[in-house]
Amino acid sequence: DGGITQSPKYLFRKEGQNVTLSCEQNLNHDAMYWYRQDPGQGLRLIYYSQIVNDFQKGDIAEGYSVSREKKESFPLTVTSAQKNPTAFYLCATSPGQLNTGELFFGEGSRLTVL
Amino acid sequence: GDSVTQMEGPVTLSEEAFLTINCTYTATGYPSLFWYVQYPGEGLQLLLKATKADDKGSNKGFEATYRKETTSFHLEKGSVQVSDSAVYFCALRGDGGATNKLIFGTGTLLAVQP
Repeated sequence: DGGITQSPKYLFRKEGQNVTLSCEQNLNHDAMYWYRQDPGQGLRLIYYSQIVNDFQKGDIAEGYSVSREKKESFPLTVTSAQKNPTAFYLCATSPGQLNTGELFFGEGSRLTVL
Repeated sequence: GDSVTQMEGPVTLSEEAFLTINCTYTATGYPSLFWYVQYPGEGLQLLLKATKADDKGSNKGFEATYRKETTSFHLEKGSVQVSDSAVYFCALRGDGGATNKLIFGTGTLLAVQP
């Protein structure tokens, strides 16, 4: 099936630990995005990548890192520097390098810091 | 900067009731406007879009008209069903420098009771 796979679906982390969230797509889309969703705050852009080996910071990049070594994959690392990492994380893709606004989303990963 | 404001929820309706979820925006130029829907436990899906003033987007019985004079893009449906229960997000893609950003509202939870 074509789509976007995020893993794990649920993740628990102790304070001070880095964690990496996986996002894989087989839609052959050029651009990939990471959003963070918090109750009452909508979605906020963390990082995005329009092409392999290139990525840009979004609005809330501090405490996060990404890589884009393959077109299909855009993993997000939540580092210990992120002050409030408990949230729902959504990966998205769009067909072209330019964001037309039509994004395709994965099912999300819920991270809880204990 | 660009922003989206949508009515707070939750909105609770009985089946077959008329739905309106208000959305207004602030943006320079001529943004594109979107409604996304998030069903429980899932990622977001594009519901409808409009790319210029007076355009009407429609899908699955939902409609929204791009009103530049009132900077609004209200979502409507004539007769809701229980299966429409979800969180609805209004979103904007600007036509200025930050064209790779999609700005989301805070989301409105719709609960439809049988």
